[in-house]
Amino acid sequence: DAGITQSPRHKVTETGTPVTLRCHQTENHRYMYWYRQDPGHGLRLIHYSYGVKDTDKGEVSDGYSVSRSKTEDFLLTLESATSSQTSVYFCAISDPDSWKNTEAFFGQGTRLTVV
Amino acid sequence: GQQVMQIPQYQHVQEGEDFTTYCNSSTTLSNIQWYKQRPGGHPVFLIQLVKSGEVKKQKRLTFQFGEAKKNSSLHITATQTTDVGTYFCAGPGGDDYKLSFGAGTTVTVRA
Repeated sequence: DAGITQSPRHKVTETGTPVTLRCHQTENHRYMYWYRQDPGHGLRLIHYSYGVKDTDKGEVSDGYSVSRSKTEDFLLTLESATSSQTSVYFCAISDPDSWKNTEAFFGQGTRLTVV
Repeated sequence: GQQVMQIPQYQHVQEGEDFTTYCNSSTTLSNIQWYKQRPGGHPVFLIQLVKSGEVKKQKRLTFQFGEAKKNSSLHITATQTTDVGTYFCAGPGGDDYKLSFGAGTTVTVRA
């Protein structure tokens, strides 16, 4: 498996509290992604990064922010957690050098429960 | 924006039977990728198709990319219990490499 570590792996938090999830990679890959997975919705892109300090929104970015100050770390922050943000969060990385080489490698996931 | 749709959402298969899952994109894809996620696990890359009409095989799995590069299929022959899981297709769209995933096809196998 690619060197991707997500922390924490499990978290329970209260509504209205801030939460930060961390993704750390040792592969020096340029792209990093945050997805959430919910039954019936597959993997939905929250935010992604294509370099240090270069980030962009995905399809479900409302209520989330990200930061990437180093190549190896991509942080996802829920400013004020809501129950609708209860989900499994996956970090992924890729290092595309052409349209022939865009496959992603996923972390183990973080199960977040907002009560 | 780009949308990737998969059908069916669920596939219940008798062990030994064949089945096919389909992926359709609202836009032309530069490539199409397939991933498998075992229950409780994370998605794992299976294969990537790049060329129009391309067909690739991995043992009992056959992957095809449509001529217009807007659709793809995964065909599994002689299904085994090891095939249980959710299969996702994904493709980069637009002018960057961000990946959009379909909702997945969840496969269960009856022994």
